[in-house]
Formats: sequence, C-alpha cells, structure tokens
Amino acid sequence: GEDVEQSLFLSVREGDSSVINCTYTDSSSTYLYWYKQEPGAGLQLLTYIFSNMDMKQDQRLTVLLNKKDKHLSLRIADTQTGDSAIYFCAESMKGGYNKLIFGAGTRLAVHP
Amino acid sequence: NAGVTQTPKFRVLKTGQSMTLLCAQDMNHEYMYWYRQDPGMGLRLIHYSVGEGTTAKGEVPDGYNVSRLKKQNFLLGLESAAPSQTSVYFCASTPTESQPQHFGDGTRLSIL
Repeated sequence: GEDVEQSLFLSVREGDSSVINCTYTDSSSTYLYWYKQEPGAGLQLLTYIFSNMDMKQDQRLTVLLNKKDKHLSLRIADTQTGDSAIYFCAESMKGGYNKLIFGAGTRLAVHP
Repeated sequence: NAGVTQTPKFRVLKTGQSMTLLCAQDMNHEYMYWYRQDPGMGLRLIHYSVGEGTTAKGEVPDGYNVSRLKKQNFLLGLESAAPSQTSVYFCASTPTESQPQHFGDGTRLSIL
C-alpha cells in the first residue's frame, strides 16, 4: 500500500544543520515534495525532486533521494529560529490526478 | 497575488448543522483539492476536481460533498456536521498533474 513515514520530532541548535528523514513505500512515485507549515498557517512548498534525480540543492536546502531504499531527506544548513515549523514529506503518485500521499510531519525545534 | 483563498478561516458548528467552505484560486489552475488535517497525521484527501464541472472522491469522502461550478472556485459542503469532522481543512490547486500543489491557509472547523 501507499505509506509515507517520518520521525515526529527533531531538535537542533541554531547554526547547526538539520536533517529530516522520510521513507515511502510506493516505487511508482513521480515527484517527492517537502512542505513547511508554520503555526496556524497553510503548507508552503519548500522544494521538490523528480524521482529520477538523486540530489537537488536550493540555497540552504539539500534534498537527497535514495530510490533503492525509498528514502528521502531534507538537509537545512545553518538552521535558524525561523526554520522552526512542521515539515511534511509527500509523494506524488503516477497517473491520474496528482494524488499526494503525506507523511505525518516532523516538528523541527531550533534552540539557541 | 492572492493565490488560494479559503473562507471562512474559523467556524464553530453544532452537531447536525450544515455549512459550506469556499476555496477560490486566481491562478487559472485546472486541478483543485480538499484535504483535512488531524493531529499527528498527514493531510488526507477528501475530494478533488480535475476541471470545471468535474469532481471525484478522494481517500476520506464520507460526510462531505463538493461542487466546481466555476473553474476558480471549489466548494466543500458538510450536510450534517458530526464531531468527527472537527479538523483543519486545506484547499490546494495546481495547473497540471505534474506540478506542485499550492495550498490555502486553512479553515479551522470545530463541531460541538
């Protein structure tokens, strides 16, 4: 079946790197996404990667995809207090209507 | 740029009441979606639409109805609200099935 799993909580010190991990089960996914949700707000698209890529870098964000292990990670360099939020991993299923399967979200807490 | 706008932002209902949530997008997107977000869970798809005049069931459609009479609007209806429908509801849109979904800020709905 379709399932996306993430660890629920991550705490890092300001200035350190954060790595948020995600595993998925369906090998037919086309795109994998990272969304950020701040308290009381909607989901903001951070970045995404096509399933035939291994890595994507966008300023402080690095996405790594290991298709063999069905593992996706998001690295945030030089983490700031403004990065404190919930981060959702989602996979887009092949065919049809851009169906997204979301993980439960990882709450990132950045402390001084 | 308004993007995806949801109204209302908050609402409290009594069990058995009905209401309609409105989603409006000004990006001329074909695809629109309604999700619900519950604590400790990822977003789950309620209904979606692949174009004006079309609707289809998602993962958790029971108790909800939708309409897409105009391309820019996607309405979510609760005919007889139940406490289990207490949730945060998100609307999203995308121009094609291979592009990221853009989310609204959500509607927080409590049913007593």
